[in-house]
Amino acid sequence: AQSVTQLDSHVSVSEGTPVLLRCNYSSSYSPSLFWYVQHPNKGLQLLLKYTSAATLVKGINGFEAEFKKSETSFHLTKPSAHMSDAAEYFCVVSPIYNFNKFYFGSGTKLNVKP
Amino acid sequence: DVKVTQSSRYLVKRTGEKVFLECVQDMDHENMFWYRQDPGLGLRLIYFSYDVKMKEKGDIPEGYSVSREKKERFSLILESASTNQTSMYLCASSRGTGSYEQYFGPGTRLTVT
Repeated sequence: AQSVTQLDSHVSVSEGTPVLLRCNYSSSYSPSLFWYVQHPNKGLQLLLKYTSAATLVKGINGFEAEFKKSETSFHLTKPSAHMSDAAEYFCVVSPIYNFNKFYFGSGTKLNVKP
Repeated sequence: DVKVTQSSRYLVKRTGEKVFLECVQDMDHENMFWYRQDPGLGLRLIYFSYDVKMKEKGDIPEGYSVSREKKERFSLILESASTNQTSMYLCASSRGTGSYEQYFGPGTRLTVT
C-alpha cells in the first residue's frame, strides 16, 4: 500500500531563513516522488521530481529535496525563504509499477514573515 | 510549455442543474485526471482516463461522470449538481508510461447554491 505523510500542516519562517518541509512515504517499491506548490486559487505547479536517478534533486525557485530510502523520506528544503514562497506545498508519490496512480500528501502551508 | 486549460475559473450553479467542466491539454498526453480539492481533505481523485473513450473511477466518483471523445479534451459532468459538490475542481494530464509528472490546470471553483 502507498501513503504519503506530510509531517507539518503549517510551517512559519522568517524571510531569509531556511525552509524545511517534511514528507515521509510508504511504498513497497522505489517510487517516483514529486513536490508541487499551490498559490491561493491557482493550480498545482511542479517544483521537482525524483525518478531513481540522483538522490538530491534540484528544482525551480531554489528548492531542492533529498530522497533517503532508508528513512523513506523526501524532505523539501530551501536555504533562504522569500515572501513569494508563501503557498501550500504537496508531496506526491507514484508507485513504480503503476505510473497512473498518484498519492497526495495532505499539504503543508508555508507562511513567510517579513 | 505544457498547457492545461479549464473552461471556467469560477462557476455558480443551482441545485439540480447539469454542469459541464471542460479541460484541454496541448501536449498529446495519454492520461487525464479530474480531482476535487476541499479544505482539510486534500486532493481526491474523481475519475481518470488513460486513452480516448477509456475511463476509470477514482476515489469519489459518485455524482460525477466523464467524457473523453478526443485525446486532448476531458470533460467532467455533474448530472444533477448538489450543494456538497461545491469545491475546487482541478484537471491534470500526464504521459502514458514512465515516471512522468502530472501537469495541472488553474482550477475551477464551483459553487452550487
